[in-house]
Amino acid sequence: IAGITQAPTSQILAAGRRMTLRCTQDMRHNAMYWYRQDLGLGLRLIHYSNTAGTTGKGEVPDGYSVSRANTDDFPLTLASAVPSQTSVYFCASSASGGGGIQYFGAGTRLSVL
Amino acid sequence: AQSVTQLDSHVSVSEGTPVLLRCNYSSSYSPSLFWYVQHPNKGLQLLLKYTSAATLVKGINGFEAEFKKSETSFHLTKPSAHMSDAAEYFCVVSDPSGGYNKLIFGAGTRLAVHP
Repeated sequence: IAGITQAPTSQILAAGRRMTLRCTQDMRHNAMYWYRQDLGLGLRLIHYSNTAGTTGKGEVPDGYSVSRANTDDFPLTLASAVPSQTSVYFCASSASGGGGIQYFGAGTRLSVL
Repeated sequence: AQSVTQLDSHVSVSEGTPVLLRCNYSSSYSPSLFWYVQHPNKGLQLLLKYTSAATLVKGINGFEAEFKKSETSFHLTKPSAHMSDAAEYFCVVSDPSGGYNKLIFGAGTRLAVHP
């Protein structure tokens, strides 16, 4: 069982370029999330999706967009990357009635130069 | 509003000695509380979860945490540290007010274990 798969594992990107971070889960969880992790700040929620076809904004959504066409996939897009988006990005998922537990992928390390 | 404060950004212990990672929370609701661990260059893994069934919660790898409502604390402990425990630990509180499964993360405590 893979759980949550994120791709790529790392990326160096020129400022102004468009980038999509991929996230796929095989647990059939209804809800999915994108976080960014920055030193000393813990994890901050970017966007979430409670179920396929719906998305919502988290704590730090500016500069990012998401889509949820099906249950398994939840891509995160940076339309025009800026250096402040240099971070480690984590995708997570949770099940309805799962007691609030979120399961995390291994992360994507993104550097915007 | 929900919030969580991890009182130590770094903790250093010797192998075989006890571990204490401190966490205080603030919650307008009866909270669900979690501890997650992150090993270097890895994702986050759930250590344990509190949801009001019992105040002392046992997790994986010998860790446990005690919920103390009077002190608004949820400290993580382990009787004897192993080298493999070196990692970053996050205290997390749930916030049910946003219409989704919202988790609020502390800033993290980096645990170093020395031989």
